[in-house]
Amino acid sequence: KAGVTQTPRYLIKTRGQQVTLSCSPISGHRSVSWYQQTPGQGLQFLFEYFSETQRNKGNFPGRFSGRQFSNSRSEMNVSTLELGDSALYLCASSLLAGGMYEQYFGPGTRLTVT
Amino acid sequence: QQPVQSPQAVILREGEDAVINCSSSKALYSVHWYRQKHGEAPVFLMILLKGGEQKGHDKISASFNEKKQQSSLYLTASQLSYSGTYFCGTGNFGNEKLTFGTGTRLTIIP
Repeated sequence: KAGVTQTPRYLIKTRGQQVTLSCSPISGHRSVSWYQQTPGQGLQFLFEYFSETQRNKGNFPGRFSGRQFSNSRSEMNVSTLELGDSALYLCASSLLAGGMYEQYFGPGTRLTVT
Repeated sequence: QQPVQSPQAVILREGEDAVINCSSSKALYSVHWYRQKHGEAPVFLMILLKGGEQKGHDKISASFNEKKQQSSLYLTASQLSYSGTYFCGTGNFGNEKLTFGTGTRLTIIP
Protein backbone atom coordinates (compact mmCIF):
# COMPACT_ATOMS: atom_id res chain seq x y z
CA LYS A 1 0.00 0.00 0.00
CA ALA A 2 1.05 3.60 -0.59
CA GLY A 3 2.90 5.24 2.27
CA VAL A 4 2.38 8.57 3.97
CA THR A 5 3.21 11.42 1.65
CA GLN A 6 4.20 14.94 2.58
CA THR A 7 4.52 17.97 0.39
CA PRO A 8 6.60 19.90 -0.17
CA ARG A 9 9.74 18.03 0.84
CA TYR A 10 11.85 21.16 1.17
CA LEU A 11 10.92 24.76 1.77
CA ILE A 12 12.81 27.97 2.34
CA LYS A 13 10.91 30.90 3.81
CA THR A 14 11.71 34.28 5.25
CA ARG A 15 10.98 35.42 8.80
CA GLY A 16 7.46 36.77 9.10
CA GLN A 17 6.04 34.71 6.25
CA GLN A 18 3.61 31.89 6.70
CA VAL A 19 3.76 28.33 5.41
CA THR A 20 1.35 25.46 4.81
CA LEU A 21 2.49 21.86 4.82
CA SER A 22 0.43 18.95 3.58
CA CYS A 23 0.18 15.32 4.63
CA SER A 24 -1.71 12.47 2.98
CA PRO A 25 -2.12 9.47 5.29
CA ILE A 26 -2.23 5.81 4.43
CA SER A 27 -5.61 4.82 3.08
CA GLY A 28 -7.90 3.82 5.93
CA HIS A 29 -5.95 5.69 8.61
CA ARG A 30 -8.06 8.35 10.27
CA SER A 31 -5.53 9.65 12.75
CA VAL A 32 -2.87 12.06 11.55
CA SER A 33 -0.34 13.57 13.92
CA TRP A 34 2.35 16.17 13.38
CA TYR A 35 5.77 16.40 14.94
CA GLN A 36 8.65 18.85 14.87
CA GLN A 37 12.20 17.54 14.93
CA THR A 38 15.22 19.73 15.62
CA PRO A 39 18.78 18.88 16.69
CA GLY A 40 18.32 20.85 19.91
CA GLN A 41 14.84 19.85 21.04
CA GLY A 42 14.55 16.46 19.41
CA LEU A 43 11.15 15.13 18.45
CA GLN A 44 8.19 17.10 19.75
CA PHE A 45 4.48 16.48 19.32
CA LEU A 46 2.54 19.29 17.66
CA PHE A 47 -1.03 18.04 17.33
CA GLU A 48 -3.21 15.11 16.33
CA TYR A 49 -6.31 15.07 14.19
CA PHE A 50 -8.87 12.30 14.10
CA SER A 51 -11.94 12.40 11.88
CA GLU A 52 -11.47 16.10 11.18
CA THR A 53 -11.23 17.03 14.88
CA GLN A 54 -8.16 18.06 16.79
CA ARG A 55 -7.83 15.39 19.43
CA ASN A 56 -4.60 16.49 21.08
CA LYS A 57 -2.31 19.49 21.05
CA GLY A 58 1.29 19.90 22.13
CA ASN A 59 2.95 22.85 23.76
CA PHE A 60 3.44 25.06 20.77
CA PRO A 61 2.30 28.68 20.30
CA GLY A 62 -0.90 29.53 18.49
CA ARG A 63 1.11 30.35 15.36
CA PHE A 64 1.04 26.62 14.73
CA SER A 65 -2.31 25.34 13.57
CA GLY A 66 -3.68 22.49 11.57
CA ARG A 67 -6.74 20.92 10.11
CA GLN A 68 -7.93 17.67 8.65
CA PHE A 69 -10.22 17.15 5.73
CA SER A 70 -12.94 14.57 5.22
CA ASN A 71 -10.55 12.37 3.21
CA SER A 72 -8.18 12.38 6.24
CA ARG A 73 -5.58 14.51 4.48
CA SER A 74 -4.15 17.06 6.86
CA GLU A 75 -2.44 20.41 6.65
CA MET A 76 -0.46 22.35 9.16
CA ASN A 77 0.12 26.06 9.02
CA VAL A 78 2.75 28.17 10.68
CA SER A 79 2.19 31.90 10.61
CA THR A 80 4.69 34.68 11.28
CA LEU A 81 7.66 32.39 10.88
CA GLU A 82 10.61 32.71 13.23
CA LEU A 83 14.17 31.48 12.75
CA GLY A 84 13.54 28.88 15.46
CA ASP A 85 10.83 27.29 13.35
CA SER A 86 13.49 25.82 11.09
CA ALA A 87 13.04 22.10 11.51
CA LEU A 88 11.99 18.83 9.98
CA TYR A 89 8.21 18.56 10.19
CA LEU A 90 6.97 15.00 10.23
CA CYS A 91 3.48 13.71 9.96
CA ALA A 92 2.40 10.22 10.88
CA SER A 93 -0.80 8.33 10.28
CA SER A 94 -1.99 5.58 12.54
CA LEU A 95 -4.68 2.99 12.88
CA LEU A 96 -5.96 1.19 15.94
CA ALA A 97 -8.26 -1.66 15.04
CA GLY A 98 -8.99 -5.04 16.54
CA GLY A 99 -6.38 -4.55 19.21
CA MET A 100 -3.69 -3.95 16.61
CA TYR A 101 -1.89 -0.66 16.26
CA GLU A 102 0.19 0.56 13.35
CA GLN A 103 1.82 3.90 12.69
CA TYR A 104 3.75 5.16 9.72
CA PHE A 105 5.70 8.38 9.27
CA GLY A 106 5.98 10.40 6.13
CA PRO A 107 9.39 11.49 4.82
CA GLY A 108 9.00 14.94 6.34
CA THR A 109 9.18 18.53 5.14
CA ARG A 110 12.47 20.29 5.77
CA LEU A 111 11.64 23.93 6.53
CA THR A 112 14.39 26.53 6.59
CA VAL A 113 13.56 30.01 7.81
CA THR A 114 16.01 32.76 6.89
CA GLN B 1 9.12 15.97 31.26
CA GLN B 2 11.19 14.20 28.65
CA PRO B 3 11.95 10.51 29.27
CA VAL B 4 15.64 9.82 29.72
CA GLN B 5 17.23 7.18 27.56
CA SER B 6 20.41 5.32 28.35
CA PRO B 7 22.94 4.85 27.04
CA GLN B 8 23.18 7.97 24.88
CA ALA B 9 25.30 6.12 22.36
CA VAL B 10 26.67 2.62 21.94
CA ILE B 11 28.90 0.89 19.42
CA LEU B 12 28.59 -2.86 18.98
CA ARG B 13 29.99 -5.51 16.71
CA GLU B 14 27.65 -7.47 14.53
CA GLY B 15 26.11 -10.31 16.50
CA GLU B 16 26.33 -8.63 19.89
CA ASP B 17 23.29 -7.77 22.01
CA ALA B 18 22.10 -4.31 23.03
CA VAL B 19 19.76 -2.98 25.68
CA ILE B 20 18.33 0.53 25.53
CA ASN B 21 16.47 1.93 28.50
CA CYS B 22 13.77 4.58 28.65
CA SER B 23 13.03 6.02 32.09
CA SER B 24 10.16 8.32 32.89
CA SER B 25 9.61 10.56 35.90
CA LYS B 26 5.86 10.14 35.41
CA ALA B 27 3.67 7.06 35.47
CA LEU B 28 3.87 5.09 32.25
CA TYR B 29 0.77 4.08 30.36
CA SER B 30 2.13 3.33 26.94
CA VAL B 31 5.56 3.32 25.38
CA HIS B 32 6.29 3.48 21.68
CA TRP B 33 9.68 2.54 20.29
CA TYR B 34 11.13 3.91 17.05
CA ARG B 35 14.28 3.62 14.99
CA GLN B 36 15.45 6.48 12.81
CA LYS B 37 18.28 6.22 10.34
CA HIS B 38 20.18 9.31 9.36
CA GLY B 39 18.22 11.42 6.90
CA GLU B 40 15.14 9.24 7.13
CA ALA B 41 11.85 9.36 8.99
CA PRO B 42 11.34 7.40 12.20
CA VAL B 43 10.04 3.87 11.83
CA PHE B 44 7.61 2.56 14.42
CA LEU B 45 8.90 -0.66 16.00
CA MET B 46 6.39 -1.57 18.67
CA ILE B 47 4.10 -0.33 21.41
CA LEU B 48 3.90 -1.55 24.96
CA LEU B 49 0.97 -0.89 27.24
CA LYS B 50 0.50 -0.65 30.97
CA GLY B 51 -0.28 -4.12 32.22
CA GLY B 52 1.68 -5.74 29.45
CA GLU B 53 5.09 -7.17 30.06
CA GLN B 54 7.05 -7.90 26.99
CA LYS B 55 6.54 -8.16 23.31
CA GLY B 56 8.62 -8.25 20.22
CA HIS B 57 9.23 -9.71 16.84
CA ASP B 58 12.25 -11.34 15.28
CA LYS B 59 15.27 -10.32 17.35
CA ILE B 60 13.89 -7.05 18.70
CA SER B 61 11.79 -7.09 21.85
CA ALA B 62 10.88 -4.76 24.66
CA SER B 63 9.68 -4.84 28.24
CA PHE B 64 7.54 -2.53 30.33
CA ASN B 65 8.20 -2.16 34.04
CA GLU B 66 5.41 -0.17 35.60
CA LYS B 67 6.98 -0.03 39.07
CA LYS B 68 10.25 1.33 37.79
CA GLN B 69 8.48 3.58 35.26
CA GLN B 70 10.86 2.20 32.69
CA SER B 71 10.83 0.39 29.39
CA SER B 72 13.75 -1.44 27.86
CA LEU B 73 14.39 -2.35 24.23
CA TYR B 74 16.40 -5.50 23.54
CA LEU B 75 18.22 -6.14 20.28
CA THR B 76 19.75 -9.59 20.09
CA ALA B 77 22.37 -10.76 17.64
CA SER B 78 22.49 -7.26 16.17
CA GLN B 79 22.75 -6.81 12.43
CA LEU B 80 24.27 -3.92 10.48
CA SER B 81 20.76 -2.81 9.58
CA TYR B 82 20.02 -2.13 13.26
CA SER B 83 22.23 0.97 13.21
CA GLY B 84 20.36 4.19 13.84
CA THR B 85 18.95 6.34 16.60
CA TYR B 86 16.33 4.74 18.81
CA PHE B 87 13.62 6.81 20.47
CA CYS B 88 11.03 5.95 23.01
CA GLY B 89 7.80 7.90 23.14
CA THR B 90 5.55 7.86 26.20
CA GLY B 91 1.89 8.73 26.42
CA ASN B 92 -1.60 7.41 26.91
CA PHE B 93 -2.77 4.58 24.69
CA GLY B 94 -5.33 5.66 22.14
CA ASN B 95 -3.88 9.00 21.25
CA GLU B 96 -0.72 10.18 19.63
CA LYS B 97 0.35 12.84 22.12
CA LEU B 98 3.76 11.44 22.89
CA THR B 99 6.72 12.78 24.78
CA PHE B 100 9.89 11.50 23.18
CA GLY B 101 13.05 10.38 24.86
CA THR B 102 16.46 11.85 24.34
CA GLY B 103 17.46 9.17 21.84
CA THR B 104 20.13 6.46 21.78
CA ARG B 105 22.52 6.29 18.84
CA LEU B 106 23.36 2.67 18.04
CA THR B 107 26.22 1.89 15.67
CA ILE B 108 26.81 -1.68 14.54
CA ILE B 109 30.20 -2.41 13.02
CA PRO B 110 31.21 -5.51 11.06
